[in-house]
Amino acid sequence: AQTVTQSQPEMSVQEAETVTLSCTYDTSESNYYLFWYKQPPSRQMILVIRQEAYKQQNATENRFSVNFQKAAKSFSLKISDSQLGDTAMYFCAFMKHESGGSNYKLTFGKGTLLTVNP
Amino acid sequence: DAGVTQSPTHLIKTRGQQVTLRCSPISGHKSVSWYQQVLGQGPQFIFQYYEKEERGRGNFPDRFSARQFPNYSSELNVNALLLGDSALYLCASSFLHGYTFGSGTRLTVV
Repeated sequence: AQTVTQSQPEMSVQEAETVTLSCTYDTSESNYYLFWYKQPPSRQMILVIRQEAYKQQNATENRFSVNFQKAAKSFSLKISDSQLGDTAMYFCAFMKHESGGSNYKLTFGKGTLLTVNP
Repeated sequence: DAGVTQSPTHLIKTRGQQVTLRCSPISGHKSVSWYQQVLGQGPQFIFQYYEKEERGRGNFPDRFSARQFPNYSSELNVNALLLGDSALYLCASSFLHGYTFGSGTRLTVV
């Protein structure tokens, strides 16, 4: 079974600064996907960024980037130029890749509450 | 395009009652998954349906059941409600490896 650990329950950052959220995972799989989701008070889970394990290049989406260390099973999220709207719960999630299958279960960490201060 | 829609948004039920939650996926998405999110925790996988067949089930009791209809919408049923079933229930529809979540149904059991 896969497990996802987010060791920082809460973090805060000043507007316009950079912050890094940590995530580690445990799996015996070699092919998988990793995700960061954002959940603002509106409750909807919003995909921030996605990484395929077979890709060595770290994923980037505008101000969001990841540091994927496959051997260390680490997947941290860096948010640059933080904005007030980034305030939310951030969840790291793992999904096993099943070729030709259709069972795509996401395993989530417990989340990190990020507060961006003005 | 409409996103994933869930109904109702909020629900209050009494212990022992039964509840049905509904989800409509994004048009063209054939897979629907259900997650339970207890306050302060990450979502936990309950079910996945693809083409109207159950393709995965999480570690939940038999009181939880679901089904998917020919139009790919889905219902989650919970029988004999317990106080511990109070949670946010999230539905996600997926195409290939992309998941889109709805805003959830907040269930409170009193």
